[in-house]
Amino acid sequence: IAGITQAPTSQILAAGRRMTLRCTQDMRHNAMYWYRQDLGLGLRLIHYSNTAGTTGKGEVPDGYSVSRANTDDFPLTLASAVPSQTSVYFCASSEGPGEKLFFGSGTQLSVL
Amino acid sequence: AQSVTQLDSQVPVFEEAPVELRCNYSSSVSVYLFWYVQYPNQGLQLLLKYLSGSTLVKGINGFEAEFNKSQTSFHLRKPSVHISDTAEYFCAVSSYKLSFGAGTTVTVRA
Repeated sequence: IAGITQAPTSQILAAGRRMTLRCTQDMRHNAMYWYRQDLGLGLRLIHYSNTAGTTGKGEVPDGYSVSRANTDDFPLTLASAVPSQTSVYFCASSEGPGEKLFFGSGTQLSVL
Repeated sequence: AQSVTQLDSQVPVFEEAPVELRCNYSSSVSVYLFWYVQYPNQGLQLLLKYLSGSTLVKGINGFEAEFNKSQTSFHLRKPSVHISDTAEYFCAVSSYKLSFGAGTTVTVRA
């Protein structure tokens, strides 16, 4: 089934540890996004990529990094996790700016 | 820079009553506008989008939205809600990146 795969589904992480959230899509979409969803704050954009080889900062990029080595993969790395990064993380993709977003099923991350 | 403001965080409404969810945006470039819905314990689904043309856009489940360029608004409406419309609704704006508002929780009561 075509779509977006995120891994892991959930993770408990000790503060200070490094963590990479994986995201893979098989729809050959150009644009990919990482959001975090927190109660009362909606979805906030962390980083985005409009095409392979390019990335950009969203609204809350601090403490996160991304790479886009190819069209399909868009991993999100927390270099040194902090408790404020406890959240649900969604990866999404679209064909372009005016097109519908397709979402992954999310990663529930708890930083203790 | 672009931003999205949803003016109501919570909207309680009785079944069969109308509902309006307000969304204002700001952007220095032309944008596309969207409304997404998230039902309890589910992912986000696209309700409708505005790209260009007619300022009144019809979406799924009886929802519609009106784009007002002078007021930089994209308010969502439904003339008669059902219990099943209980959900969180997100307005979003897209140019070179896609940003969401903080969401409006709609609770429909019998």
